[in-house]
Amino acid sequence: AQRVTQPEKLLSVFKGAPVELKCNYSYSGSPELFWYVQYSRQRLQLLLRHISRESIKGFTADLNKGETSFHLKKPFAQEEDSAMYYCGGSNFGNEKLTFGTGTRLTIIP
Amino acid sequence: DTGVSQNPRHKITKRGQNVTFRCDPISEHNRLYWYRQTLGQGPEFLTYFQNEAQLEKSRLLSDRFSAERPKGSFSTLEIQRTEQGDSAMYLCASLKGGLIEETQYFGPGTRLLVL
Repeated sequence: AQRVTQPEKLLSVFKGAPVELKCNYSYSGSPELFWYVQYSRQRLQLLLRHISRESIKGFTADLNKGETSFHLKKPFAQEEDSAMYYCGGSNFGNEKLTFGTGTRLTIIP
Repeated sequence: DTGVSQNPRHKITKRGQNVTFRCDPISEHNRLYWYRQTLGQGPEFLTYFQNEAQLEKSRLLSDRFSAERPKGSFSTLEIQRTEQGDSAMYLCASLKGGLIEETQYFGPGTRLLVL
C-alpha cells in the first residue's frame, strides 16, 4: 500500500533559523511527491512538487530515492511560514493523493 | 472566484440522518476528487471521477456513501444513516486531466458534525 509518513506533528523554529520538515514515503513504481501547505483559515494549496525542482517561497525539497525521503527545507524561517504542511504522493495516471498526517510549523518571532 | 467551491461549508446533523454535500470544480476540469480529513490526520482519498465516470472508490467509502457527477460538472457526496464516526472535513479537489505537471486545486471543505 502507498504510505507517506511525517514523523513530526509539531515543529517550532525561531525566525531566521533553518527549517526542515521530514517526509518519508513507501510507494510502488515511480511516485510523484508533493508538499501542500494550509495557512490559517485558507484552503489546502500546492507548495511544490519534486518534478518541478523549483523553489517556492524559499522552500526546496529533494527526492532521495535511496532513503525514500522528500524532506522540505528552508534556510531562514519567516513568520509567515507558520502553517500546516502536508507531504503527499501520487502515481501518474490517476493523480489521487496519499497524504501524511501533517506537521504544524510555528515560527517563533 | 473561479476556484473550487463546496456547499454547505458546515453541517450539523443527528445520527441516522442523511446528508448531501456539493462540489463545484473549476470550469473545464475533467477530474474531480473527494477526500475526508479527520482530526489530526491528513486528507484521505475517497473517490474520483473522470468526467461523469467514477473510476475508483476507496475502501473507506462504505455502502452508506455514494458519490455522483451526473453531467461531468458538479459532484455530490451523500452519506446515508450518518454515524458519529462520519464527523470529519470533506474536501473536494479538481484538475484538468491529460496535462503534464498538473495541480489538484482544493475547495474549502464541508465540515460535518454528527451528534
